[in-house]
Amino acid sequence: DTAVSQTPKYLVTQMGNDKSIKCEQNLGHDTMYWYKQDSKKFLKIMFSYNNKELIINETVPNRFSPKSPDKAHLNLHINSLELGDSAVYFCASSQGWGGGEQFFGPGTRLTVL
Amino acid sequence: GENVEQHPSTLSVQEGDSAVIKCTYSDSASNYFPWYKQELGKGPQLIIDIRSNVGEKKDQRIAVTLNKTAKHFSLHITETQPEDSAVYFCAASVWGGAQKLVFGQGTRLTINP
Repeated sequence: DTAVSQTPKYLVTQMGNDKSIKCEQNLGHDTMYWYKQDSKKFLKIMFSYNNKELIINETVPNRFSPKSPDKAHLNLHINSLELGDSAVYFCASSQGWGGGEQFFGPGTRLTVL
Repeated sequence: GENVEQHPSTLSVQEGDSAVIKCTYSDSASNYFPWYKQELGKGPQLIIDIRSNVGEKKDQRIAVTLNKTAKHFSLHITETQPEDSAVYFCAASVWGGAQKLVFGQGTRLTINP
């Protein structure tokens, strides 16, 4: 059984378009995260939600908007895509928000042309 | 904020030899230090972690050491095997706060048969 799943796995789109990435976890965790991994493999947190409440919001352009309809889902919507948004986006989850293992999804490779 | 430096960026060792990856952190409040392994095309996976009240932790062939005074921690892999080939990330965060993991730049480890 997949613990943290993301869709789609690959996303190729034109500059200026709007796209969404979906994430679901079946681990019963109450905290979820979005990370961005750039072409140099650098991994940086973007957002974190605990029980549907935003608790971490890094310096991310407001074109990125996370949405958590329930604690098992955390989606990422990106408006007006730019070339620099090309990266691999990882969703992760953990039990509690104070620490402990984060379980990562398989990633979504976004390519903006 | 926290800054984590990781070295080396690439490491190549003969099968059966040991590998050591080192990280330094800047925020003395950080007290949780996980190590993640990322295989090609997959999300990072926790392999070992340590909290600041412990100086060393071992799990079979992998071990982590922490020097709080010097603000550095290291990953040691003994008796390396081809399946150890991957990208390894260190990270640091404050346990008990909203867990914002700050990752190092990653080390690409190659095990040569």
